[in-house]
Amino acid sequence: DSGVTQTPKHLITATGQRVTLRCSPRSGDLSVYWYQQSLDQGLQFLIQYYNGEERAKGNILERFSAQQFPDLHSELNLSSLELGDSALYFCASSGDRPTEAFFGQGTRLTVV
Amino acid sequence: AQSVTQLDSHVSVSEGTPVLLRCNYSSSYSPSLFWYVQHPNKGLQLLLKYTSAATLVKGINGFEAEFKKSETSFHLTKPSAHMSDAAEYFCVVRSSGTYKYIFGTGTRLKVLA
Repeated sequence: DSGVTQTPKHLITATGQRVTLRCSPRSGDLSVYWYQQSLDQGLQFLIQYYNGEERAKGNILERFSAQQFPDLHSELNLSSLELGDSALYFCASSGDRPTEAFFGQGTRLTVV
Repeated sequence: AQSVTQLDSHVSVSEGTPVLLRCNYSSSYSPSLFWYVQHPNKGLQLLLKYTSAATLVKGINGFEAEFKKSETSFHLTKPSAHMSDAAEYFCVVRSSGTYKYIFGTGTRLKVLA
């Protein structure tokens, strides 16, 4: 158990809909990262938050947004969903020093 | 900018034979490097990490990796493969600026009986 909790584990929704994925980081970790893993794109970095503020942005679509709340949990919002958004979405957390990131078990999103 | 390149997308070995998964990195600074493993339908688990201490790093399940600055490499090895090692392996570098983790494209390891 990495200590990072993601909910829900599975999500099936229709095209055009909006979903919210939730992540609770390890206790004490201020950084949260979101990644998308799909068969054709591999593991893509989406966005990083540090103590409530956006720190780095990767290949995140404009239809996607995220935030980190004062209690440090994070949410990834995906809207106007398309079939191609079907993927495994991972959240990870880490501390400031050059330590490893701890990954959650992922949320598998299926858009039908 | 930092990056990692995994030189093989697929590697097949027989059970009991050595494993070598290759990774080259690009970094202007002394990098933090990691290997993660992902078993089918599972999350990502840290195998080992290099953070500028000893250049030979030992990880879990008998894996180890050697940081070679002159070759900009961080190859993952294991003396004897086990069937349970079949998985996808990712080489990762941590960015020195934003501290984000940059993944390689992965190497799928197949272990033959």
